[in-house]
Amino acid sequence: DTEVTQTPKHLVMGMTNKKSLKCEQHMGHRAMYWYKQKAKKPPELMFVYSYEKLSINESVPSRFSPECPNSSLLNLHLHALQPEDSALYLCASSQDQTSSYNEQFFGPGTRLTVL
Amino acid sequence: AQSVTQLDSQVPVFEEAPVELRCNYSSSVSVYLFWYVQYPNQGLQLLLKYLSGSTLVKGINGFEAEFNKSQTSFHLRKPSVHISDTAEYFCAVSPPRGSGNTGKLIFGQGTTLQVKP
Repeated sequence: DTEVTQTPKHLVMGMTNKKSLKCEQHMGHRAMYWYKQKAKKPPELMFVYSYEKLSINESVPSRFSPECPNSSLLNLHLHALQPEDSALYLCASSQDQTSSYNEQFFGPGTRLTVL
Repeated sequence: AQSVTQLDSQVPVFEEAPVELRCNYSSSVSVYLFWYVQYPNQGLQLLLKYLSGSTLVKGINGFEAEFNKSQTSFHLRKPSVHISDTAEYFCAVSPPRGSGNTGKLIFGQGTTLQVKP
């Protein structure tokens, strides 16, 4: 199984809502990533988890809160978002964070709209 | 530090014509190189990668790329494109283990390939 799955596919939320994005992989990968992607732009790294511990936080606002309950699952909790946070949120995984090469496998993404 | 430049933001081409998408990188250390494709409303899919060895790399869907160390380039080519190749293409680099590798992929700005009938 070489698939990364993400749910939901689409999410519309108000600025006062709390919601969560979910990501799952069953490739035995030990590194998982959250990216934010605006239209026609490359993905921007938000967080990296390595062996279920937060390894990199790219100065992301606290209204985004990642969680890695186990080696297969990655969540992104959202609270009090702003309209400019509307984007495609991509999850990815790789064998580990600093393997000889860092081939990352991406999920299909969650299209988030903040009203 | 590494950086990636994709020289063309858009490349229009007719179906069955050849195409080249250009990618140049800057790095003080050796890097691994990747091309990803993103179809509309989807995630990124790895097309091909260069780690070491032969400088000509073959990928999925008939794509290939050539690593040129002296010109720090990794251009993507396909001899005959299809309508279904219409997508966004991203070149990316990653430094190898022991060279400040933090697991980050450094992406170029992307090239939109528009295949016309």
